[in-house]
Amino acid sequence: AQSVSQHNHHVILSEAASLELGCNYSYGGTVNLFWYVQYPGQHLQLLLKYFSGDPLVKGIKGFEAEFIKSKFSFNLRKPSVQWSDTAEYFCAVTLNTNAGKSTFGDGTTLTVKP
Amino acid sequence: EAGVAQSPRYKIIEKRQSVAFWCNPISGHATLYWYQQILGQGPKLLIQFQNNGVVDDSQLPKDRFSAERLKGVDSTLKIQPAKLEDSAVYLCASSLVFQGTYEQYFGPGTRLTVT
Repeated sequence: AQSVSQHNHHVILSEAASLELGCNYSYGGTVNLFWYVQYPGQHLQLLLKYFSGDPLVKGIKGFEAEFIKSKFSFNLRKPSVQWSDTAEYFCAVTLNTNAGKSTFGDGTTLTVKP
Repeated sequence: EAGVAQSPRYKIIEKRQSVAFWCNPISGHATLYWYQQILGQGPKLLIQFQNNGVVDDSQLPKDRFSAERLKGVDSTLKIQPAKLEDSAVYLCASSLVFQGTYEQYFGPGTRLTVT
């Protein structure tokens, strides 16, 4: 069974600091990878996704993620965080099959201090 | 476009009672998902529908949970009888088609407290 591991449960940064959130998955087949974000009081929403092509993908609000197949990783990065990035971030994996099931990590809470 | 609608937003029940949640996906979305999110954890898929057919319900506790999606549009998730460990947020999501590359759109969730 596939699994997703997010190493950091809670990250606290000051504004303008760089961010990297780790995500590793376990599955040997072809996968689609997602980062979702949940801002305080809002719904889960898509930040970015990867399913093929350039392993470096760019999402909304200056976020990017790099898919490293050999490391089964899909880490999220942002060069300079803002207070408005305070949120919970979830990594998710979906199998690239017609019966693809989504598996989410347990999330990382990011707090950005002004 | 209107988002995924869920009701109620909050529900408090006693153990052994029953409860039902409703979800209306984005218009035209063929795939509908129900997730359970326990505090401190990520969403866990309970059941996945393609139109009105079940694609995956391997993690649905079928002795107490049931779900249906009549007419391939809105859906209900029921718990009967509820247990203390069912306290969680129940999320509904939908996607345009049933392929792993398509993003899911989430509703606001229903927070269930079982006392």
